[in-house]
Amino acid sequence: DIVMTQTPLSSPVTLGQPASISCRSSQSLVHSDGNTYLSWLQQRPGQPPRLLIYEISKRVSGVPDRFSGSGAGTDFTLKINRVEAEDVGVYYCMQGTQFPRTFGGGTKVEIK
Amino acid sequence: QLLESGGDLEQPGGSLRLSCAASGFTFSNYAMTWVRQAPGKGLEWVSSINGDGLNIYYAVSVKGRFTISRDNSRNRLYLQMNSLRVEDTAVYYCAKGLDATTGTKTIDYWGQGTLVTVSS
Repeated sequence: DIVMTQTPLSSPVTLGQPASISCRSSQSLVHSDGNTYLSWLQQRPGQPPRLLIYEISKRVSGVPDRFSGSGAGTDFTLKINRVEAEDVGVYYCMQGTQFPRTFGGGTKVEIK
Repeated sequence: QLLESGGDLEQPGGSLRLSCAASGFTFSNYAMTWVRQAPGKGLEWVSSINGDGLNIYYAVSVKGRFTISRDNSRNRLYLQMNSLRVEDTAVYYCAKGLDATTGTKTIDYWGQGTLVTVSS
């Protein structure tokens, strides 16, 4: 199984300041079709997860452009340009390259 | 929209059947997935099924106990859960693949979830 490791566990951020979350996979997420199936999900308190970014850097329609994804191979990053109050929640990375699908342990973004 | 139902309190060793009613998209074109989240914990993939129901995958933790299925004529996804264990306690989410070509490589929409509690 591919192990997804997220850091940090928690990220206290001042409103308007940037936040960065790292996700590392135990093996390359490059699929045989050439794509890399790494997604980022946001879960606000009491809500189901919501897809923000897929295939490393493709932002879902309606997601603010302060969210961006980058990386390649086994190392990936989610960046929030200027954190807003509505960004509070837990963020997960997920790999869809191989079964079983696996998730990172989550990073809690909170306001200082 | 995805609307799960069927969650309940069940004893260890018992069975439950979860259902997910889909609307707003051509259900048969999309692979579907069940993901669970134990109280206060992270996300765990449970099972996926492709659009025609012929390709099915399970997590090791549920293989042989859970069965995923779908009824494309009724736009419904199911999860039959047998031999339930305390560690199966979780909110179970029904989730949709991003598009018809990539299957469940990207999960783009999640239901609100249904709570399964396994306890004596």
